[in-house]
Amino acid sequence: SQTIHQWPATLVQPVGSPLSLECTVEGTSNPNLYWYRQAAGRGLQLLFYSVGIGQISSEVPQNLSASRPQDRQFILSSKKLLLSDSGFYLCAWSFGVAGGDEQFFGPGTRLTVL
Amino acid sequence: AQTVTQSQPEMSVQEAETVTLSCTYDTSESDYYLFWYKQPPSRQMILVIRQEAYKQQNATENRFSVNFQKAAKSFSLKISDSQLGDAAMYFCAYGSGGSNYKLTFGKGTLLTVNP
Repeated sequence: SQTIHQWPATLVQPVGSPLSLECTVEGTSNPNLYWYRQAAGRGLQLLFYSVGIGQISSEVPQNLSASRPQDRQFILSSKKLLLSDSGFYLCAWSFGVAGGDEQFFGPGTRLTVL
Repeated sequence: AQTVTQSQPEMSVQEAETVTLSCTYDTSESDYYLFWYKQPPSRQMILVIRQEAYKQQNATENRFSVNFQKAAKSFSLKISDSQLGDAAMYFCAYGSGGSNYKLTFGKGTLLTVNP
């Protein structure tokens, strides 16, 4: 069976510091991978998605970036965090066979920028 | 671009009763999929139910069923015999068919189940 991991679970960072959130998937190969941000009282905002190693699509211009160095590893980064980067970050994966595929979500990372 | 609207920020239901959560969407596509996801206090997103737009039959999963009205672009979720464990944020989501793998989510409805 497939599992998805995210770490860290919680993170408190000062404004201007760098960020690295990691997501890994086990039990499948060549998944589609996604990064979402969920702000308080709002839905999920898609930040990045990837259909393969080194292939990253950005949905929202911001000071965040994503990378996929390995097939089942997806990393969300920032060089300098802003207060507005606070939120709950979710990683997800799908089989990537068809557009209607279910997305499976990780446990999330709560990021607080002070 | 597709949009998903959930007009009920919060809903409440008595245990063992039935509740319906509303969702409308806007699209010009003919091939698409609709989803309801549940996010309990643990924040783990879980798929509740999935509907293919080309299917006229409404999807059901145990106590969960949908009322899919394609012409009206409406996709409501009915929870029967509500249980305390159903308390969660519920998100409606839209997915395009073909090779577009992105999902567009509504803002969610917070469901409270009263004992």
